[in-house]
Formats: sequence, C-alpha cells, structure tokens
Amino acid sequence: KAGVTQTPRYLIKTRGQQVTLSCSPISGHRSVSWYQQTPGQGLQFLFEYFSETQRNKGNFPGRFSGRQFSNSRSEMNVSTLELGDSALYLCASSLRGDRGADTQYFGPGTRLTVL
Amino acid sequence: GNSVTQMEGPVTLSEEAFLTINCTYTATGYPSLFWYVQYPGEGLQLLLKATKADDKGSNKGFEATYRKETTSFHLEKGSVQVSDSAVYFCAVNRDDKIIFGKGTRLHILP
Repeated sequence: KAGVTQTPRYLIKTRGQQVTLSCSPISGHRSVSWYQQTPGQGLQFLFEYFSETQRNKGNFPGRFSGRQFSNSRSEMNVSTLELGDSALYLCASSLRGDRGADTQYFGPGTRLTVL
Repeated sequence: GNSVTQMEGPVTLSEEAFLTINCTYTATGYPSLFWYVQYPGEGLQLLLKATKADDKGSNKGFEATYRKETTSFHLEKGSVQVSDSAVYFCAVNRDDKIIFGKGTRLHILP
C-alpha cells in the first residue's frame, strides 16, 4: 500500500503571497490531520478532517484553512504569508481518527520557506 | 500549555549503551500514548503506542510502559545502534488531538 504523499516537497514564497499544499492519504483512510513543525514551537496541530468535514482545529489564525475532498485527499491553504509561517508542514492520515487511538501515518512533509 | 514534557536533548550515547528518554504528560481520563521517531529528512513514523494503563508498547528493541500513577511513558532501549540516531517525540491523545512533546534528538556514536 502506498504511504501518505505530500506535494510539493519544497516551496519558496514571499511575504503576502498565498500557498496551497496537498496531501493524499493512504488508500482507505478517512481522517487527515495537518501539523506545523518549527524548531521553536515543535509540532503543532493545525486541523483534522474526516469525511470532508473539519472535525478538530488547533490554535492558528484564520489565514490557515483546509478542506478535504470526497476521495479523502486534503489541501491546506495559507493566505497572506508571513515570515513566521516558514516551517515543515506534515500531513497524517488514519483509518477512522477514532479518538486518537488510531495510528496516524505521516507523510514526508512540505518544507515551506517564506522570504 | 503543553501537555507533554520530554527530556531536552541532544542526547549523545555510544553504540550499545542503554537509552532512556523521559516523558510525562498531563491529561484527563485515560489517553492513548505514543512514541514517534523522525529520521533526517523524513516525516514521523510511529515507533510504539499504548492505549491503557500498564500496557507496554514495544518495537525494534524499544519499549515504553504506560504508568498512570506517575503519568509517564518513558522510552527505553537496552542497546542502541548508530542507526537509532533520530529525533524522538512523545505524544498523547487529548480531546481527539495528538499533542506532541518538543522532541529529543539522539546521537549515537560508533
């Protein structure tokens, strides 16, 4: 079975621009979560989608948004980019996202650099 | 605040040494507990997990026991290898979200 894939792997943007990141979960997985990883803050939960609905949300500003399609693929969008948005963005999928007991499988991440 | 506290690194050990990485958590009820590992340039991989008190998770020679009384989930390995060099994250399920510790970087010297 193919693992979680994320595209693109690397991205360079300038302040004020917007960006869209994509995540394809493992086949059959219905839950997709997004995380931001930075050296200073570590791994922080952004949001989780299950069956095309946002089921959980972390403490990030409204510039960060996402969606999930009927095939469970998910996109994350960041508008009006700031320098502090530079990070590794990780996507994880799980079968049901059942109260966190379900194993999450992570993709390799998208490295976003904001200049 | 952060619900998971793990020892700060980097931790440097010689090959075949004994490893302990401490992790304590704060959460209500009986959360599931996890250890993830991140190798250079890669995403996170689940190393082991435990879903109830006194459960022991194990994988690749690593072990961790769910201690409800001390709210701890320390990671141990009896004899580390150079290939174990990576960043290790302790995590807890809280309110249907996975909360991660800051991570502990491990260097194993040959």
